Amino acid sequence: EVQLVESGGGLVQPGGSLRLSCAASGFTFSNSWMSWVRQAPGQGLEWVANINQDESDKYYADSVKGRFTVSRDNAKISLYLQMNSLRAEDTAVYYCARGHYALDVWGQGTTVTVSS
Amino acid sequence: DIVMTQSPDSLAVSLGERATINCRSSQSVLYSSNNKNYLGWYQQKPGQPPKLLIYWASTRGSGVPDRFTGSGSGTDFTLTISSLQPEDVAVYYCQQYYGTPRTFGQGTKLEIK
Repeated sequence: EVQLVESGGGLVQPGGSLRLSCAASGFTFSNSWMSWVRQAPGQGLEWVANINQDESDKYYADSVKGRFTVSRDNAKISLYLQMNSLRAEDTAVYYCARGHYALDVWGQGTTVTVSS
Repeated sequence: DIVMTQSPDSLAVSLGERATINCRSSQSVLYSSNNKNYLGWYQQKPGQPPKLLIYWASTRGSGVPDRFTGSGSGTDFTLTISSLQPEDVAVYYCQQYYGTPRTFGQGTKLEIK
């Protein structure tokens, strides 16, 4: 079964850091572009970042550029999102998804709450 | 950035009737070299992650019922549900993947009348 499982979310104070992980299974992870998408409470979807197969290409939304870093470990079949200098407006469910164009596989998401 | 605008914001349709959701992009998402529209549609039910319904503007995703149809080209696109079923209650999003950043429409909430 093709599956993505996120972890690492939680409550963090403004200015803090958090690292999200996404474990993949059921497909050839090393052949796939991967993406992060977030959804603030009661709001729509916002694309955050994506990364190509060998980490040579990474792209970010302006809202997270310079604060978030996407990475992957193909040996561990995992995708990561390092989030620094967190702000209240980063509060959201964070989804990892497979794809560079259309996103055809999504995880269940992990919740990040930035609050004092 | 390419701005995606959906209409309407919400929609109530009777069971068995047709539902139509529109999506407009602020610039063309048609790539002339391959004649493909870089546009997808997603369905999100409450408490669930989004599900890919349509990609390349008109190709159904895996296992998507044929009552879902995507159409349009350039800057104007439509998602049509030919005969609304109870399980189609959801929020629907369009997304362009022509440019970076990828951008989504604001979503259209579909309910049963």
